[in-house]
Amino acid sequence: AQSVSQHNHHVILSEAASLELGCNYSYGGTVNLFWYVQYPGQHLQLLLKYFSGDPLVKGIKGFEAEFIKSKFSFNLRKPSVQWSDTAEYFCAVLNSGGYQKVTFGTGTKLQVIP
Amino acid sequence: KAGVTQTPRYLIKTRGQQVTLSCSPISGHRSVSWYQQTPGQGLQFLFEYFSETQRNKGNFPGRFSGRQFSNSRSEMNVSTLELGDSALYLCASSSGGVLYEQYFGPGTRLTVT
Repeated sequence: AQSVSQHNHHVILSEAASLELGCNYSYGGTVNLFWYVQYPGQHLQLLLKYFSGDPLVKGIKGFEAEFIKSKFSFNLRKPSVQWSDTAEYFCAVLNSGGYQKVTFGTGTKLQVIP
Repeated sequence: KAGVTQTPRYLIKTRGQQVTLSCSPISGHRSVSWYQQTPGQGLQFLFEYFSETQRNKGNFPGRFSGRQFSNSRSEMNVSTLELGDSALYLCASSSGGVLYEQYFGPGTRLTVT
């Protein structure tokens, strides 16, 4: 079965530090990849997604992610975090081939200290 | 455009009871997916409905069921509740399915005692 691993459960950074959150998945075929964010007290929302093409994907609020097929990874990055980036981040993978189920990682809580 | 709404927002039930949760998708969206969110487990996919048909199902026991109405509103039912069913149940709607952007609702917090 498909699995998604987010290695860091809790990350604490100071403002202006760079961020990289890891995401690895197990499926060997074609995949669609997502990062979602859940700010405190708010709904889950889509940060960015990869379906095909350029493996470097840019999302909202300065986030980007790179799909490395050989490493089964889709790591999320931001060059300089802000206090407002404090949230929980979820990586998700969808097998290609139609309307399959989405598998989410367990999430990474990011705390940014002013 | 109104977002995804879920009712009720909070629910407390006793073991053995059953519960029905409701989700109203964004107007015009025909796909509704349900997820269970628990600490340490992340979000686990329950099922997805599109135009009143269940298109996909996750690995949950048969106690978990759902349906979708002609107006795209969806309900999820859990019978014979167990303590382990305590979770946040999220509903997500999209225009065409999981390949498209999913918009999540606020969730229903179910506590089983």
